[in-house]
Amino acid sequence: AQSVTQLDSQVPVFEEAPVELRCNYSSSVSVYLFWYVQYPNQGLQLLLKYLSGSTLVKGINGFEAEFNKSQTSFHLRKPSVHISDTAEYFCAVRDSGNTPLVFGKGTRLSVIA
Amino acid sequence: DADVTQTPRNRITKTGKRIMLECSQTKGHDRMYWYRQDPGLGLRLIYYSFDVKDINKGEISDGYSVSRQAQAKFSLSLESAIPNQTALYFCATSDSGQGFRDEQFFGPGTRLTVL
Repeated sequence: AQSVTQLDSQVPVFEEAPVELRCNYSSSVSVYLFWYVQYPNQGLQLLLKYLSGSTLVKGINGFEAEFNKSQTSFHLRKPSVHISDTAEYFCAVRDSGNTPLVFGKGTRLSVIA
Repeated sequence: DADVTQTPRNRITKTGKRIMLECSQTKGHDRMYWYRQDPGLGLRLIYYSFDVKDINKGEISDGYSVSRQAQAKFSLSLESAIPNQTALYFCATSDSGQGFRDEQFFGPGTRLTVL
């Protein structure tokens, strides 16, 4: 079964600084990878997803992620964060179209003014 | 109006009580899911349903049951609530027609406290 490891439970960063949130998944022949964001007191919404093709995926709000098959990673990046990016971020994986998503434990991003 | 709604949004109950959490969706999706979120543990899958006649256990189904009353409705029950079921519960939906591309859409969550 697939598993996902988010290496940092909390990441504090100053406003306008770059940020990287790390995600590693267990190896599989094919995987489909997702990043979701949860703003305070809200449900989850999709930031971006990797299904196939280009390994660099661009999402909403200026976020991007790079799929690295050899490293089994899918790290999320943003070159300059805003206060409004403060949220919890979840990496998720599936290995076929007939399995639910498996989520990581989440990374809480705190942007400091 | 929200595409995925959950009722109630907040519930406080006592140990041993039976509780039902309801989820409705207007997205026309055939697949529905129940997750629970605990601090530091992320989202864990409780049950999922790929259509009205299909119910599957997830990672942590013990102590829970579900009912798929219609394509648009998926209820989660706690037959006899216990304090360690205190958590934030999310319903989600997806569309099998999208195959592996399908994105899961989440409701706003139900915060359940068991005293």
